[in-house]
Amino acid sequence: QKEVEQDPGPLSVPEGAIVSLNCTYSNSAFQYFMWYRQYSRKGPELLMYTYSSGNKEDGRFTAQVDKSSKYISLFIRDSQPSDSATYLCAMSVANAGKSTFGDGTTLTVKP
Amino acid sequence: ETGVTQSPTHLIKTRGQQVTLRCSSQSGHNTVSWYQQALGQGPQFIFQYYREEENGRGNFPPRFSGLQFPNYSSELNVNALELDDSALYLCASSPGTESSGNTIYFGEGSWLTVV
Repeated sequence: QKEVEQDPGPLSVPEGAIVSLNCTYSNSAFQYFMWYRQYSRKGPELLMYTYSSGNKEDGRFTAQVDKSSKYISLFIRDSQPSDSATYLCAMSVANAGKSTFGDGTTLTVKP
Repeated sequence: ETGVTQSPTHLIKTRGQQVTLRCSSQSGHNTVSWYQQALGQGPQFIFQYYREEENGRGNFPPRFSGLQFPNYSSELNVNALELDDSALYLCASSPGTESSGNTIYFGEGSWLTVV
């Protein structure tokens, strides 16, 4: 079983919809939680970064971490066609040099 | 666009050959991490270099090796290529060794196909 599980989708929504992306994990030592966006054949781009449990909002994006359930989410409000990409969750322990990634969820936002 | 540049962008190699991939880190960043991303999967940590020394390694065999130079640029070398080595190889630079910060930047990657 992988340390980080992510529903691969694909997920298709109409423009303007609220999108919910989720990951579960098994390593209780994870303290840092990241969401990356990856366009086709490009490198990942960091979207959101959260430490420990709680919520963090940045524009149309909200990241939630529930450490008690080992569950993290990314919400995208008012989704746009330009949000069409693969979304990767990633996690790390304190003072670690590596991030552990999920396999990504592919999102398509239709005009 | 980040300041992390990788070369080459695409290459095709034959099984058993050797390959060298290169990465120039963001200005001011002294740490480079390498990841392998197979099609349909998330990036897998290969190793990290900090001040020219390996600082952590993932579950990859010794035929995956690396270097970091005084200017903090880095190389990833893979010997005795196998078909399963076909993947996108990503370089990430950061101003420190922790992967948890919000100042980690990935390059666009090098697509390696082994035939």
